[in-house]
Amino acid sequence: NAGVTQTPKFQVLKTGQSMTLQCAQDMNHNSMYWYRQDPGMGLRLIYYSASEGTTDKGEVPNGYNVSRLNKREFSLRLESAAPSQTSVYFCASSGPINLGWGDFGAGTRLSVL
Amino acid sequence: AQSVTQPDIHITVSEGASLELRCNYSYGATPYLFWYVQSPGQGLQLLLKYFSGDTLVQGIKGFEAEFKRSQSSFNLRKPSVHWSDAAEYFCAVGAAGGYQKVTFGTGTKLQVIP
Repeated sequence: NAGVTQTPKFQVLKTGQSMTLQCAQDMNHNSMYWYRQDPGMGLRLIYYSASEGTTDKGEVPNGYNVSRLNKREFSLRLESAAPSQTSVYFCASSGPINLGWGDFGAGTRLSVL
Repeated sequence: AQSVTQPDIHITVSEGASLELRCNYSYGATPYLFWYVQSPGQGLQLLLKYFSGDTLVQGIKGFEAEFKRSQSSFNLRKPSVHWSDAAEYFCAVGAAGGYQKVTFGTGTKLQVIP
């Protein structure tokens, strides 16, 4: 039982390059989330998926797209990376909130030069 | 909209001393409240949660938190801090129903000195 798995763990991009961050969970959770973490700003929600087949914008969606490929997988794509997207990205999944919330992946550390 | 405020960016305590990390939330109904811990270079780990019932909740690693509705607070406490508790702590508030979105505070970084 691996929980939430994110790949890659580290990535360096040049401005304008694209990449996809992958996330997979094996807990049969309906909801999945992408957050970014920046110093002094906590975690900010980029996109979320309440269930398979649905996605919605969070607080900071500009410059990102997501795909809920199936119940297990939720990917985050940067189409044209910018230095402002240098951050640590966390994927999380959850079941019903009253049963507990938030299993996190280990994070992806992204630098955009 | 829900929000969380952690007024202390950085706290330093001596090993063995008691600890209290402050958290204030804003939410129109009874909230779901959480405390998470993040060690350097790691993801977030759930310490404890409050949904309903007893307002004093116990978590892992000897932590506890008290929900005070009148003060809109959910402060985290530990009677005696260990060096291994040095980490960043995040308070979070969630909404029941719908997509269960959780909003995080900006975090409090805890330093423990010998």
